[in-house]
Amino acid sequence: ELKVEQNPLFLSMQEGKNYTIYCNYSTTSDRLYWYRQDPGKSLESLFVLLSNGAVKQEGRLMASLDTKARLSTLHITAAVHDLSATYFCAVRTNYGGSQGNLIFGKGTKLSVKP
Amino acid sequence: EAQVTQNPRYLITVTGKKLTVTCSQNMNHEYMSWYRQDPGLGLRQIYYSMNVEVTDKGDVPEGYKVSRKEKRNFPLILESPSPNQTSLYFCASRPIRGIFYEQYFGPGTRLTVT
Repeated sequence: ELKVEQNPLFLSMQEGKNYTIYCNYSTTSDRLYWYRQDPGKSLESLFVLLSNGAVKQEGRLMASLDTKARLSTLHITAAVHDLSATYFCAVRTNYGGSQGNLIFGKGTKLSVKP
Repeated sequence: EAQVTQNPRYLITVTGKKLTVTCSQNMNHEYMSWYRQDPGLGLRQIYYSMNVEVTDKGDVPEGYKVSRKEKRNFPLILESPSPNQTSLYFCASRPIRGIFYEQYFGPGTRLTVT
């Protein structure tokens, strides 16, 4: 059974600082997704990572994937208040009847303070 | 505009009163899914459907029903709601072919059962 763990679950940052959110998963997968959720809103897709060593960047966010370590990171560079949100990683299952379903981490609530 | 719509967006009801939350997508996606989101638990899958008349249980199906009579619609039915079904519900859809298999989420339905 695929399990997805994110840490930290809560992150309070100062503007201008850098930090990394980690996403570990327990079994092999071929797709890893990062989503952003603002309070009371839906999930917005940030990145889809397909292969080992994949790196994608959008503004101050950079996501990477190490399939051998079953680890993805979401790195935040020079944080700004607008990045305050909850970030989820989700991993696609590769097995059995539930192939293709997503298993989500519990989310990292990021708060960027001036 | 490509989108997933849900109705209602907010619902307060009483224990035992049957309700249906509708979900519709206009992207001709084969795969549709329902999730519930609870604080500290992330998103958990309730039911999913790979195509018309094909549905299957997710991780937390107890107390819920679904149907898929048309490709675009995937209603979630609570026959006898209970307070532990108070939650934020998301419908999502995605194609079953392609590279990214990216899921598109609806705006969410906040359900309160008293």
